[in-house]
Amino acid sequence: GAVVSQHPSRVICKSGTSVKIECRSLDFQATTMFWYRQFPKQSLMLMATSNEGSKATYEQGVEKDKFLINHASLTLSTLTVTSAHPEDSSFYICSARTGGNQPQHFGDGTRLSIL
Amino acid sequence: KQEVTQIPAALSVPEGENLVLNCSFTDSAIYNLQWFRQDPGKGLTSLLLIQSSQREQTSGRLNASLDKSSGRSTLYIAASQPGDSATYLCAVSNDYKLSFGAGTTVTVRA
Repeated sequence: GAVVSQHPSRVICKSGTSVKIECRSLDFQATTMFWYRQFPKQSLMLMATSNEGSKATYEQGVEKDKFLINHASLTLSTLTVTSAHPEDSSFYICSARTGGNQPQHFGDGTRLSIL
Repeated sequence: KQEVTQIPAALSVPEGENLVLNCSFTDSAIYNLQWFRQDPGKGLTSLLLIQSSQREQTSGRLNASLDKSSGRSTLYIAASQPGDSATYLCAVSNDYKLSFGAGTTVTVRA
């Protein structure tokens, strides 16, 4: 149980393109989903927290207009990287939990490469 | 702000040796602590979760201890195998958010 599916697993695209990443909880309802970014050999850094039906809460230093997050249902959150540039290349991972202080369950991540 | 540190950053051992991975955190007001495994280019697999009221958790060859007052946790992996080669991440939960360490990359040599 507690499976989180993230799609796509890898994206390669040209600079200026907008890229959408989906995160789905397959067998549970996720009231809260999280988006992380990970650079090579570094820790996961929380980008934003999204609760179903409300606006995402972004961490300090994360551009809201650059990284658009939508959590329209209890099983789906999307992260859109708008007008992506090479510096946005990274590994993006989502997680989901049912609520409160329940454990987070992680997706397999998306490798984004901007040429 | 919670700071999580993992030492060592990398570790190489021969097969069969026991592994000891360390994690320290600055804010002891945590809800729980988790150990994860991450294979190259992959997401996270949860290994053990220790609630703040617990001192340790065990699963198979894995044992994790927690000393909340000193801000430390240790992950022990007994009788290591080449399949244990991966990066191990420690994460602590404060205010319903997770703060991660940078990880310890383990290589088990056959």
